[in-house]
Amino acid sequence: GDSVTQMEGPVTLSEEACLTINCTYTATGYPSLFWYVQYPGEGLQLLLKATKADDKGSNKGFEATYRKETTSFHLEKGSVQVSDSAVYFCALRDQGAQKLVFGQGTRLTINP
Amino acid sequence: EPEVTQTPSHQVTQMGQEVILRCVPISNHLYFYWYRQILGQKVEFLVSFYNNEISEKSEIFDDQFSVERPDGSNFTLKIRSTKLEDSAMYFCASSEVTGRTNTIYFGEGSWLTVV
Repeated sequence: GDSVTQMEGPVTLSEEACLTINCTYTATGYPSLFWYVQYPGEGLQLLLKATKADDKGSNKGFEATYRKETTSFHLEKGSVQVSDSAVYFCALRDQGAQKLVFGQGTRLTINP
Repeated sequence: EPEVTQTPSHQVTQMGQEVILRCVPISNHLYFYWYRQILGQKVEFLVSFYNNEISEKSEIFDDQFSVERPDGSNFTLKIRSTKLEDSAMYFCASSEVTGRTNTIYFGEGSWLTVV
């Protein structure tokens, strides 16, 4: 079946550091890929998405590129802020499927 | 911006009791979902609902669970005879249409603690 694997957390960085959160997937079809973010005390919010190979999703300074050859969708940001502290979830939605399949989430803490 | 709203935000219940979690999906959305996240584990799909019937469900969604759209705005998840292992955050979600490219919008979650 479909699955998503994220890098283990928690991740702690200083403000203005570079961020990469790794995400790889397995899928039976041709999925769309998503990053969701959960800020403290809030629900899951869509951060960005990519629907086909080599697409780059971007939002709030975050980027992720759909790499079909490596089955990856790593989340990157060049300079993180304290306000980026949250839990980040990589997810996929396969062809013909209604459900999202999530990774385990990565907790990110940014220190000033 | 339209959002999915859930109530209650937190509920504590005795083992064996019935629980109803409520959700108001985004108004023009046609597909509704429930997911759950046991503490420290992945967010897991439970069920999807379209046109007043279940369209897909996971192995987790057994006879203990049911969903209903009792009126034009609410979408509920009922858990009969709760067990300790039902303690989790339950997320309601909705989408305008289905299809792999469409975005699913989530509520803030209902945290259920079974004691």
